[in-house]
Amino acid sequence: GAVVSQHPSWVICKSGTSVKIECRSLDFQATTMFWYRQFPKQSLMLMATSNEGSKATYEQGVEKDKFLINHASLTLSTLTVTSAHPEDSSFYICSAGEERGYYNEQFFGPGTRLTVL
Amino acid sequence: AQSVAQPEDQVNVAEGNPLTVKCTYSVSGNPYLFWYVQYPNRGLQFLLKYITGDNLVKGSYGFEAEFNKSQTSFHLKKPSALVSDSALYFCAVSRTGGGNKLTFGTGTQLKVEL
Repeated sequence: GAVVSQHPSWVICKSGTSVKIECRSLDFQATTMFWYRQFPKQSLMLMATSNEGSKATYEQGVEKDKFLINHASLTLSTLTVTSAHPEDSSFYICSAGEERGYYNEQFFGPGTRLTVL
Repeated sequence: AQSVAQPEDQVNVAEGNPLTVKCTYSVSGNPYLFWYVQYPNRGLQFLLKYITGDNLVKGSYGFEAEFNKSQTSFHLKKPSALVSDSALYFCAVSRTGGGNKLTFGTGTQLKVEL
C-alpha cells in the first residue's frame, strides 16, 4: 500500500517550452502533496505544499509563476515548469501525505529527471 | 524553525561490520523523525520512523535507530552492513503543528566495501 507514482520518469525539453509532471497516489487519498527539488548530490528542498482544491503554498524563493502546481483531485497533483531554462534542470520528487491519526506520513514518488537544453 | 544535521558526508564501512549514520535535529515541540534511503536516480524509500513510544525503532532491511531526546539525536544503525546497503541516506524531521513539512538533512553517502 501507499504507492506514489510520477510521470514521466525523465524528460528532455528545449529551452522556453513548458513541462508537466504528474504525481499520483495509487492506493490512497492524499489531501496534501509536496513537491521537492534535488540538485546532484544535494538534499531535497521543499518547493511547495499543495492541498486538494486550494492554491499551493510555496516556499520562500520559489517562483509561483514558473512552477505551477495544481492539485485537482485527492489522487493527482501536477507540477508545470513554465518557460523552462537550463537552470531548471533538476530531479523533481513529489510526495503524498496520508493521514495517520495525529500525523501525516509522506510517501515519495520515484522522481522525474528534467533536462532543459 | 526545524533543522537536521548529518555531520558526515560519507561513511565507509567493511561488509559485515556494524554501521552508524549520525543525525541530530532541532525542533520546537515533539519531533517526528524519519530515515530514508535513496539509490541513484530514484526516489526516497522509507526505512523507519519515530513518532512516539519506544526510543529504539526497528525498520526495514535490518536497520534501526535510537531516539535520544537529551542529545537530540536519531542515529541510524545496522549490526552487519551489506554491500547492497551502499546508498544515500537522509534523516528528516517534522513536528506536531508543523503543517506536516519535512525538513531533510544534507544526506550521508554510505559505502560498504568487501
